[in-house]
Amino acid sequence: GNSVTQMEGPVTLSEEAFLTINCTYTATGYPSLFWYVQYPGEGLQLLLKATKADDKGSNKGFEATYRKETTSFHLEKGSVQVSDSAVYFCALSLQGGSEKLVFGKGMKLTVNP
Amino acid sequence: GAVVSQHPSWVICKSGTSVKIECRSLDFQATTMFWYRQFPKQSLMLMATSNEGSKATYEQGVEKDKFLINHASLTLSTLTVTSAHPEDSSFYICSAIYWGAGSYEQYFGPGTRLTVT
Repeated sequence: GNSVTQMEGPVTLSEEAFLTINCTYTATGYPSLFWYVQYPGEGLQLLLKATKADDKGSNKGFEATYRKETTSFHLEKGSVQVSDSAVYFCALSLQGGSEKLVFGKGMKLTVNP
Repeated sequence: GAVVSQHPSWVICKSGTSVKIECRSLDFQATTMFWYRQFPKQSLMLMATSNEGSKATYEQGVEKDKFLINHASLTLSTLTVTSAHPEDSSFYICSAIYWGAGSYEQYFGPGTRLTVT
């Protein structure tokens, strides 16, 4: 079946630290991959996505590269800010994102000033 | 951007009663909405796909008679948890598909916390 495994937190970093959140997947086909972010009291928001191997998604200083050979989609940011404190979810879809999403468990990140 | 709201954000009900949760797309029409359930420290699990004007499609293992879904308009889907029991306590999240500029994206509501006592 299809599944997503991601780092479990919670994780606390200092401002300007480097962030990596690991995400690996198992899929029967060729999935699209996503990172969603949920800020306190808000709904999940799409952070970035990649639809095929070697694609790099990027947004707000975050990046993730679709690695088919390692079935991974790790999220990185070079210098986190307090405003990046949120819960981050890795997800996949076999139909481009308009259909069923399979989520990882989410990781709570807290960034301290 | 597209906004999806849920009401209520938090509800407590007694065992055996029913509770209705609303999901609204505020500034767009959505023919397709999804309902997810999230347990503490667990991932979001898709419960059902709600299509405007037709019956919902439930995921395997989800009781359709317990979780009633109605998508009567292009901006509103409702989830009714019937004869709720403590094991139904969970965080329920909806999402809606927004089509625009030749592409589509799924927008999520903020979730509803249900506690059954």
